[in-house]
Amino acid sequence: EAGVAQSPRYKIIEKRQSVAFWCNPISGHATLYWYQQILGQGPKLLIQFQNNGVVDDSQLPKDRFSAERLKGVDSTLKIQPAKLEDSAVYLCASTGGREQFFGPGTRLTVL
Amino acid sequence: GDSVTQMEGPVTLSEEAFLTINCTYTATGYPSLFWYVQYPGEGLQLLLKATKADDKGSNKGFEATYRKETTSFHLEKGSVQVSDSAVYFCALSDHNTGGATNKLIFGTGTLLAVQP
Repeated sequence: EAGVAQSPRYKIIEKRQSVAFWCNPISGHATLYWYQQILGQGPKLLIQFQNNGVVDDSQLPKDRFSAERLKGVDSTLKIQPAKLEDSAVYLCASTGGREQFFGPGTRLTVL
Repeated sequence: GDSVTQMEGPVTLSEEAFLTINCTYTATGYPSLFWYVQYPGEGLQLLLKATKADDKGSNKGFEATYRKETTSFHLEKGSVQVSDSAVYFCALSDHNTGGATNKLIFGTGTLLAVQP
């Protein structure tokens, strides 16, 4: 069974630029999550989707972050404009039951 | 709100030493508890879990017991190996909202370095 796929694996941008990350969950998983993991901290949930609907986006900085999951399968997370403090690993996870499976993450560096 | 506190690292041990990584939690409901592991250059992997009080999760020689009275879920292993070197995250998922798909709340992670 294929795992959660994410791309790109690494991205370096300058502040005020925009960036987008892509996630393809495990086939059949209805629930998809985006987490932000800042260096030295545990992952923090940004947004949770159930199929193509948003369940929880209470910690998403909506003035600069957006996410969509239009067909209830893959998802994109966008940052526009990026700030220095957005430097982090962005993790995508999916679940069809009680265990969340994580992708390898996208490491974003904002200069 | 719900939170997880785990011991700060790094934890440095010699091979075959006994490992304990402390984890305590605060939750208003009846959470499930997890330990995730992140090996160098890899993604998060579920190591073990427990879904109710007094449950013991175990995997690859690691164990953790869900202690409701002390709100703890300490990770233990009797004899660590160099290959166990990784970052370990304690996490909880609250079932208050009734779903099996609730978000995970993580601790800050503990780096374990095992020396030969």
